[in-house]
This record gives sequence, C-alpha cells and structure tokens, in this order.
Amino acid sequence: EAAVTQSPRSKVAVTGGKVTLSCHQTNNHDYMYWYRQDTGHGLRLIHYSYVADSTEKGDIPDGYKASRPSQENFSLILELASLSQTAVYFCASSDARGFSGNTLYFGEGSRLIVV
Amino acid sequence: GDKVKQSPSALSLQEGTNSALRCNFSIAATTVQWFLQNPRGSLINLFYLVPGTKENGRLKSTFNSKESYSTLHIRDAQLEDSGTYFCAAEANSAGNKLTFGIGTRVLVRP
Repeated sequence: EAAVTQSPRSKVAVTGGKVTLSCHQTNNHDYMYWYRQDTGHGLRLIHYSYVADSTEKGDIPDGYKASRPSQENFSLILELASLSQTAVYFCASSDARGFSGNTLYFGEGSRLIVV
Repeated sequence: GDKVKQSPSALSLQEGTNSALRCNFSIAATTVQWFLQNPRGSLINLFYLVPGTKENGRLKSTFNSKESYSTLHIRDAQLEDSGTYFCAAEANSAGNKLTFGIGTRVLVRP
C-alpha cells in the first residue's frame, strides 16, 4: 500500500489560475518535500518541511507556496500558475533525523500542464 | 545538473548482460542515493550510501567520497530493470539537501 500519495495525479490548469497539489504520507516521517521534474534537469527541490506548521524554501521556491497543516499532509500551492510551471511534481518524505541519514520515499507524481 | 554528472546519458542492454552507471560529483558529497524511475514514472529508492559499498540482489553500488564518484552495477539485466536511474548527492555546501543528476536512461532488450 502506497505510503506517500499525491493528488491530483494529473491536472490541466489555466494561466493565472490557482493550483493546489496535495500530498499525504503514512510513513510517520517528520520531513516532507516537493520536487519538480523537467526534462534535462533531474529533480529540483521547491519547498520542504521538517515539522507541522513550518515550511522552508528549497532551491527553486519562486512562484510556489507550501503548507504543512499536519505531519501527514503537505501541499504545494501555485497562486498564479504560469506556462513555465508545466512539469511533473513529486512529493517525498523521510524520517526525523534531518537530511543526513535520510532515505527519500516518493509519491507517484502529479503531472501539471498549464495552458 | 553540473554538480552531479551522470554517465552514460543512455544505455541499451541485452537481457542477461552486465553494465555500470556512474556519477561524478563536483561537490563534496557526504552521502549518495540511487533511484530508479520506472516506465510508469514511479521513483523507487535503490540505495542510500555513506562511503563504501552496498549490494541488493543483482544491484551493487559503491560510493568513493575521496575520488568524488559513485557507481551502480547491474548484473544479469532483466526487462524490469528498464527505466531512468538517478543519483543524488548530499553535501554540507548545499545545506545537506540532495542534488540530483539528470539521469541515465536504461533500456533492457529481450
């Protein structure tokens, strides 16, 4: 049974619209992450969180917000979606020891197309 | 990207043969993780490595921090090994966040 689940799995959004990608984990992990995947770039970190009600900026946070209302849930919010945000988004979780010593467990990905 | 370089970019293997993938780091990597993205798009964690070697079935991975590289060996390749393999390095200079390579696409042929 999947321990990290994302929704929606696929979405078409209109430029300028608001998009919320949701992630739920049952790993009992403290750390959660949002990555985006683009051809030729591998995965790049957008936002992460190590505790509920707190989020941190990753390497490419511009244009994105994040929300961690509970240990299990982590959302990525695009307030004004743009064409450049068309990508596949992955959520991941890892245990409480911080980045060191962590193995990442990924969700199945959410494909976002902005038109 | 440039901080984590994977080679080759693509690889075609006959079923039953062996091969090796490599990651070179221009950052002082402290740990390395290897992932397989299967044809459905799912990312599966294969290895988490501190300097040294780990083996799991037909896969074996080595991380040499002094020479800044990691390898992933596939033995007796099977069709289900097809996909894109990513390595990711953790470094103090990157705030201990993972930096991913752009992947090696592997196709195993019958």
